[in-house]
Amino acid sequence: ETGVTQTPRHLVMGMTNKKSLKCEQHLGHNAMYWYKQSAKKPLELMFVYSLEERVENNSVPSRFSPECPNSSHLFLHLHTLQPEDSALYLCASSQDPDRSTEAFFGQGTRLTVV
Amino acid sequence: AQSVTQLGSHVSVSEGALVLLRCNYSSSVPPYLFWYVQYPNQGLQLLLKYTTGATLVKGINGFEAEFKKSETSFHLTKPSAHMSDAAEYFCAVSDRTGTALIFGKGTTLSVSS
Repeated sequence: ETGVTQTPRHLVMGMTNKKSLKCEQHLGHNAMYWYKQSAKKPLELMFVYSLEERVENNSVPSRFSPECPNSSHLFLHLHTLQPEDSALYLCASSQDPDRSTEAFFGQGTRLTVV
Repeated sequence: AQSVTQLGSHVSVSEGALVLLRCNYSSSVPPYLFWYVQYPNQGLQLLLKYTTGATLVKGINGFEAEFKKSETSFHLTKPSAHMSDAAEYFCAVSDRTGTALIFGKGTTLSVSS
């Protein structure tokens, strides 16, 4: 496999459930990101990891918990979500968090909270 | 603080017509600028980027963009639209090392035959 792969592609969960989103990159990149894409809003950066260390957290509610066990994998653990958390969650990676480096995106996980 | 404004949330053109998608940015230092495209049910794909050097940047699928510092703009153009260009387009800016890209709200391009 090549590129950035996200699983699952679609997820429906109740507000009391716990689930995890998975992202895997096969590009040898050192930086990984979680973005949230809601209708009518810009992509919102949630978390940035560089060399498995979290370097940025944009005031994301604690019901979202990221995990980066190695440079190829990134998880987003979800618990007690709200309906307004329904969105497309995009994972991305880049060679490093240098500002000139483009990000490569996965296809996203479409999350619906009921 | 850096930000991106995309003028027009929806642009409609006829096949063969000029495509112009507008992007203005604000940045405290010389920015690096990007255009991404998103097809339905897909992630974002890089079209082109400006870092340094020539201000007219050519990308994939016949798209190009020009960095105009005096206008703080980075508009995306294509001389002749194709049906396959229908998608959502995002402009993004980066002006600090160690941060991820900041995106505009996106512009949906529709192409009619």
